[in-house]
Amino acid sequence: RKEVEQDPGPFNVPEGATVAFNCTYSNSASQSFFWYRQDCRKEPKLLMSVYSSGNEDGRFTAQLNRASQYISLLIRDSKLSDSATYLCVVINSSYKLIFGSGTRLLVRP
Amino acid sequence: EPEVTQTPSHQVTQMGQEVILRCVPISNHLYFYWYRQILGQKVEFLVSFYNNEISEKSEIFDDQFSVERPDGSNFTLKIRSTKLEDSAMYFCASGVGDFGPGTRLTVT
Repeated sequence: RKEVEQDPGPFNVPEGATVAFNCTYSNSASQSFFWYRQDCRKEPKLLMSVYSSGNEDGRFTAQLNRASQYISLLIRDSKLSDSATYLCVVINSSYKLIFGSGTRLLVRP
Repeated sequence: EPEVTQTPSHQVTQMGQEVILRCVPISNHLYFYWYRQILGQKVEFLVSFYNNEISEKSEIFDDQFSVERPDGSNFTLKIRSTKLEDSAMYFCASGVGDFGPGTRLTVT
């Protein structure tokens, strides 16, 4: 089983749509959880942290379910500029970042 | 705001040559990392560095690779005897959220 698993997509949605990405992780001892965004041929950029209590930042909401080892990201009112690859990242006990393979989002006009 | 820098942005080298990729991480961070991303594939962990020594390394990080922090600011990744399959983007990271812009390595 992969350490961090994501649906590769692509998700092709119209502007204004709500889209949800899911991620599962295999190591129950994982410490911290994040969503990153990566534009084509650029470095990953930290989007937001993920907590069991949920975390909201504007149009973005992230949620962690430790019991199910499941992480989600919800984007409301999609903008063209949201088109990117969204990376689920898990940090293990030795502070190593483990990346999922990413979910590609295309927002069309 | 401090940021991670990497040089060069693009390095072309011939198979069998040695390359050194350079990074200046954010100085007050404790952990530094090297990752690589082969075109179209996921970001892969290579090595983490803490307190001036390797904290963890992946199975990719074999004897061909080495890291150094020679002067307290620079953080280098050396790849000896490069192979075609070493062609990738190499990202340096500092702490959790700060990635450098990457060095694109092309081995011909």
